Amino acid sequence: DSGVTQTPKHLITATGQRVTLRCSPRSGDLSVYWYQQSLDQGLQFLIQYYNGEERAKGNILERFSAQQFPDLHSELNLSSLELGDSALYFCASSVGTGSSYNEQFFGPGTRLTVL
Amino acid sequence: KNQVEQSPQSLIILEGKNCTLQCNYTVSPFSNLRWYKQDTGRGPVSLTIMTFSENTKSNGRYTATLDADTKQSSLHITASQLSDSASYICVVSPHPGYALNFGKGTSLLVTP
Repeated sequence: DSGVTQTPKHLITATGQRVTLRCSPRSGDLSVYWYQQSLDQGLQFLIQYYNGEERAKGNILERFSAQQFPDLHSELNLSSLELGDSALYFCASSVGTGSSYNEQFFGPGTRLTVL
Repeated sequence: KNQVEQSPQSLIILEGKNCTLQCNYTVSPFSNLRWYKQDTGRGPVSLTIMTFSENTKSNGRYTATLDADTKQSSLHITASQLSDSASYICVVSPHPGYALNFGKGTSLLVTP
């Protein structure tokens, strides 16, 4: 158990819908990262937040958005869902940024299926 | 083009045997390289983290090597166990603090 929690574990929805994925980082961790893992693409970095502020952006679509709240939990919002958005979404957390040994701890993931 | 290439894509070995997984990268500048183990349907778990100045790092039966000049890394697994069956992912970070470049992983199956 990494200490990172994600809800829900599974999510099934239809095309065009909007969903929200939630992540609670490990106690004391200020950074939260979101990743998408598709079968043929491997892990793709989406976005990072540090202490409530957006820190880095990866391959995140405009239909996707995220935020980190004052209690440090984070939400990833996916809208106008398409079939290709079906994937595992992982959240990871770390103590901070700026150190080469800033290890990331991954949550168990949310499996999103878009029908 | 992916900046982190892993080989082989998949590998099957007998329990007790050793194996070596390869990672070649073109990421520049380079801050650190990590190897993760990911069991099916679960989140990745960190095995090793190396900066450009480190040549080798061990974690139990896992030993990672790094040649920053040739931009190659390897993960050697000794005396494999059935529980080693998983995907092994190489991740290269161009900046301290966050990982951006993931390899597609090597899928390892250890059979009795």
